[in-house]
Amino acid sequence: DAKTTQPNSMESNEEEPVHLPCNHSTISGTDYIHWYRQLPSQGPEYVIHGLTSNVNNRMASLAIAEDRKSSTLILHRATLRDAAVYYCILRDYDMRFGAGTRLTVKP
Amino acid sequence: DGGITQSPKYLFRKEGQNVTLSCEQNLNHDAMYWYRQDPGQGLRLIYYSQIVNDFQKGDIAEGYSVSREKKESFPLTVTSAQKNPTAFYLCASSIEGDTAKNIQYFGAGTRLSVL
Repeated sequence: DAKTTQPNSMESNEEEPVHLPCNHSTISGTDYIHWYRQLPSQGPEYVIHGLTSNVNNRMASLAIAEDRKSSTLILHRATLRDAAVYYCILRDYDMRFGAGTRLTVKP
Repeated sequence: DGGITQSPKYLFRKEGQNVTLSCEQNLNHDAMYWYRQDPGQGLRLIYYSQIVNDFQKGDIAEGYSVSREKKESFPLTVTSAQKNPTAFYLCASSIEGDTAKNIQYFGAGTRLSVL
């Protein structure tokens, strides 16, 4: 059962970049790396996913290490609306959520 | 406007009572899921369904039941056998079943409390 390790919490200042790390040393070749975020009292929201190459979308960038044992979610300019719990998930045949990283954004 | 609708937003259960949480999607997705979230924790899978009239147990199915009679609907019943039902319940759907690249789309959740 592939698992991920994330810091419990991180802080950022508004309008600065944020790098959220995730370790997944037991990742298998078929696991995709997914990131979701959850605002208070809401359902999780998809952010980004990738397999081997770095990925960019309108919300964030995903940097994947060459050995795929770690990845980093990058928010290029944090806003107050980005304050949430961010989950890094390895997805093969199911999706298992850990406790995630609680991101606090300071004005 | 496509999406997943969960109702009610808040629900209270009396001792020994069964309650049903509704989940409807108009995304034309084949797969649907139910998760439970306890305070400060991640999500745990209760049941999932990859196709109409078929569903499988997740990690914590005891005390819960589901049905999938229509593609759009996947109701969850919390039975009296579930002794600790107080939690935030989330429904999700995805285009196909559990393949690695498929994104799951979530509803806004139902918060269940015991009276």
